[in-house]
Amino acid sequence: NAGVTQTPKFQVLKTGQSMTLQCAQDMNHEYMSWYRQDPGMGLRLIHYSVGAGITDQGEVPNGYNVSRSTTEDFPLRLLSAAPSQTSVYFCASRSGPSSYNSPLHFGNGTRLTVT
Amino acid sequence: AQSVAQPEDQVNVAEGNPLTVKCTYSVSGNPYLFWYVQYPNRGLQFLLKYITGDNLVKGSYGFEAEFNKSQTSFHLKKPSALVSDSALYFCAVRAVQTGTASKLTFGTGTRLQVTL
Repeated sequence: NAGVTQTPKFQVLKTGQSMTLQCAQDMNHEYMSWYRQDPGMGLRLIHYSVGAGITDQGEVPNGYNVSRSTTEDFPLRLLSAAPSQTSVYFCASRSGPSSYNSPLHFGNGTRLTVT
Repeated sequence: AQSVAQPEDQVNVAEGNPLTVKCTYSVSGNPYLFWYVQYPNRGLQFLLKYITGDNLVKGSYGFEAEFNKSQTSFHLKKPSALVSDSALYFCAVRAVQTGTASKLTFGTGTRLQVTL
């Protein structure tokens, strides 16, 4: 059981470049989300989705886009990378959009450096 | 706005001794509370949660946490620490309410270091 799979594991970008962080889950979870982890700041929600075709902003959405065309996949796009986006990015999913007491399942993260 | 405080950046404990990792929260109404653990270069793993009922919650790897509504706390505990427990621990809270407005808020994390 793969769970939540993120690719790539590491990425270095130059300022202004664009890229897509991939996330796929095989648990048939309706809810998927993207977090960034920065030292001393915990995890902050970027975007989330409660099902295919439905996305919404979290607390730090600027500079990022998402789409959800299938239940399994939830890619995160950086349109024009900035050094402030240097971070570790985690994708997470849970069962059911209304299952608020269900725990999140996390991928192993993508470490992004923007120079 | 809801928030989580983990007042200690790091907790040091000797193997075999009991450990406590502190968490206090602020939320409108009743909370759902969670503890997650993160090992190096890995994602967060779920340890335990409080939803309702018994204030003492037992979870994975021998960890437990006690919900204290009057003190708005949810401290993580283990009777006897292991070196393998060394990791980064996150507390998280969500308000018990319907609708997508109910977001999960994480604390800043506490690094647990267990030494021989």
